[in-house]
Amino acid sequence: DTGVSQDPRHKITKRGQNVTFRCDPISEHNRLYWYRQTLGQGPEFLTYFQNEAQLEKSRLLSDRFSAERPKGSFSTLEIQRTEQGDSAMYLCASSLVRAAKDRGSYGYTFGSGTRLTVV
Amino acid sequence: AQTVTQSQPEMSVQEAETVTLSCTYDTSESDYYLFWYKQPPSRQMILVIRQEAYKQQNATENRFSVNFQKAAKSFSLKISDSQLGDAAMYFCAYTGATNKLIFGTGTLLAVQP
Repeated sequence: DTGVSQDPRHKITKRGQNVTFRCDPISEHNRLYWYRQTLGQGPEFLTYFQNEAQLEKSRLLSDRFSAERPKGSFSTLEIQRTEQGDSAMYLCASSLVRAAKDRGSYGYTFGSGTRLTVV
Repeated sequence: AQTVTQSQPEMSVQEAETVTLSCTYDTSESDYYLFWYKQPPSRQMILVIRQEAYKQQNATENRFSVNFQKAAKSFSLKISDSQLGDAAMYFCAYTGATNKLIFGTGTLLAVQP
């Protein structure tokens, strides 16, 4: 297994355009998380999936953002009508959670991120 | 809601010396995990060390160790024998019942040769 893969690594787009990012988690991991990281800040939680079910969405995730994880494998994060404030690094992470009480005991593996620049 | 605070935006250490990065957190949960992650420039987040809240013994991983003070809600990272490759942004993170990570704002560590 090569870890968590994210594509593309970099994306430059004009304001108002739609963009879509892809994340391929570690194959045996059942949870997949999306985070946003702006320069000099820690990652902020956006949303996460347990298998194909989206279990939580942050208030940071406006109506312009949508995430999917069809078939519980890879995930996509789409941003519609991009704004300059959307410029950030978008990180994907995956983990294996066997029981509700796992509390992340098996760890989280991060991808290298997709850096979005909206001009 | 849980919060994680890192009060040192930047730290510097001489090669081969020891440095301690501070982290405090706030939670009402009793069962949780704490982590230190390293993020080199333009590279992915790497797990450095992990601490289970119900374990009193401080976690260690080679040159990295933590000082976990549960009552004080403090979780500092000590890096011994610092190496040039340790230069990076370090994030303290918390996870509890929600199983999602909550990060601090990070500490940028510079290692001077």
